[in-house]
Amino acid sequence: ETGVTQTPRHLVMGMTNKKSLKCEQHLGHNAMYWYKQSAKKPLELMFVYNFKEQTENNSVPSRFSPECPNSSHLFLHLHTLQPEDSALYLCASSQDRRQGGETQYFGPGTRLLVL
Amino acid sequence: RKEVEQDPGPFNVPEGATVAFNCTYSNSASQSFFWYRQDCRKEPKLLMSVYSSGNEDGRFTAQLNRASQYISLLIRDSKLSDSATYLCVVNVRAGNQFYFGTGTSLTVIP
Repeated sequence: ETGVTQTPRHLVMGMTNKKSLKCEQHLGHNAMYWYKQSAKKPLELMFVYNFKEQTENNSVPSRFSPECPNSSHLFLHLHTLQPEDSALYLCASSQDRRQGGETQYFGPGTRLLVL
Repeated sequence: RKEVEQDPGPFNVPEGATVAFNCTYSNSASQSFFWYRQDCRKEPKLLMSVYSSGNEDGRFTAQLNRASQYISLLIRDSKLSDSATYLCVVNVRAGNQFYFGTGTSLTVIP
């Protein structure tokens, strides 16, 4: 399935590095999301974009910086991360978040390890 | 209090068994409900939406009890391929937030 793709699939970075995660959806959706999934914790919503506009930022530290150049692409720029930021970062898309309740489709995730 | 609570399990059941998972949610304004399945080291995938009247898809039956604020998933005739983590997801229309449970781990044993 290639509806939502994410690169890279795995990333190891030092605390002083700068890296970016990329997400692309081929479903014609208008809403895109970043989630963080840590062990033994529920998925945490980080950011939401609807029609390229950021509609939610769930108190995410500024070392995470999202970018949405168009409805098909979403980036997460990472800078001076901490070891506790190590997690699986999942991108998702849905048709139109303003309607609420629609199905989200997830990408395969980027497994991030911060050393 | 967590928005969504699930029994993390693990549930270990033999093939052919029937297993049920429950999930409770705290926000009475919740509008939409889903069960997602997540295989080890894979992304979550929608298993089924949960409707007020209850719904069935093959061996899977989902129920919603708004009065008690819980959702259930029943799996009949368990298959080895059903082994996964099952995530309960609740959508609250105000603010349009999706809340995920921590997941319930199921292992079906031959």
